[in-house]
Amino acid sequence: DQQVKQNSPSLSVQEGRISILNCDYTNSMFDYFLWYKKYPAEGPTFLISISSIKDKNEDGRFTVFLNKSAKHLSLHIVPSQPGDSAVYFCAASERNNDMRFGAGTRLTVKP
Amino acid sequence: DAGVIQSPRHEVTEMGQEVTLRCKPISGHNSLFWYRQTMMRGLELLIYFNNNVPIDDSGMPEDRFSAKMPNASFSTLKIQPSEPRDSAVYFCASTPRESVYNEQFFGPGTRLTVL
Repeated sequence: DQQVKQNSPSLSVQEGRISILNCDYTNSMFDYFLWYKKYPAEGPTFLISISSIKDKNEDGRFTVFLNKSAKHLSLHIVPSQPGDSAVYFCAASERNNDMRFGAGTRLTVKP
Repeated sequence: DAGVIQSPRHEVTEMGQEVTLRCKPISGHNSLFWYRQTMMRGLELLIYFNNNVPIDDSGMPEDRFSAKMPNASFSTLKIQPSEPRDSAVYFCASTPRESVYNEQFFGPGTRLTVL
């Protein structure tokens, strides 16, 4: 039972343009959402997060949007850079530490 | 801080053999998680521990999988006997005691290939 879904396995974007990665969830009890970035042969690293009491969180080029009614969140990267090419995982959590991850979206930013 | 340490980084074994993956969490972290990454299912939570106690092992696929955390600085994930479909990258992650937002710190992973 996939409670967190990333329906796009891959995304290709031109350098300088906006990258939008999407994530849907089914469990209304999730109250915290995170994005992780993973390079080949490395473990995922935390990128940005958002609490369910907010609908937007921004950190430099990265912005996460949360739409609770639609159970949807998205990660915007603008402007996209070649170094952003990686697999991005969406994750959702309740306060008991049980975090669920999506299957990941592979982002390729072309120079 | 060395971060989460996993060993071995790569493991190639034959079907039927026992495999043991090891993890050393970041010192002071009180929660430890084992994940499996495959192309088809992405990152799956297998089991997690709070203060060395297993809390949720519902993600462990079969009885062939077992995990232990004998102390705060060491955990193992064992597969016995291993099968080709167990081939995947296995990640260990830990969470700091004071974390409110459950950010997890991942190790580099162990790539397991079962022939």
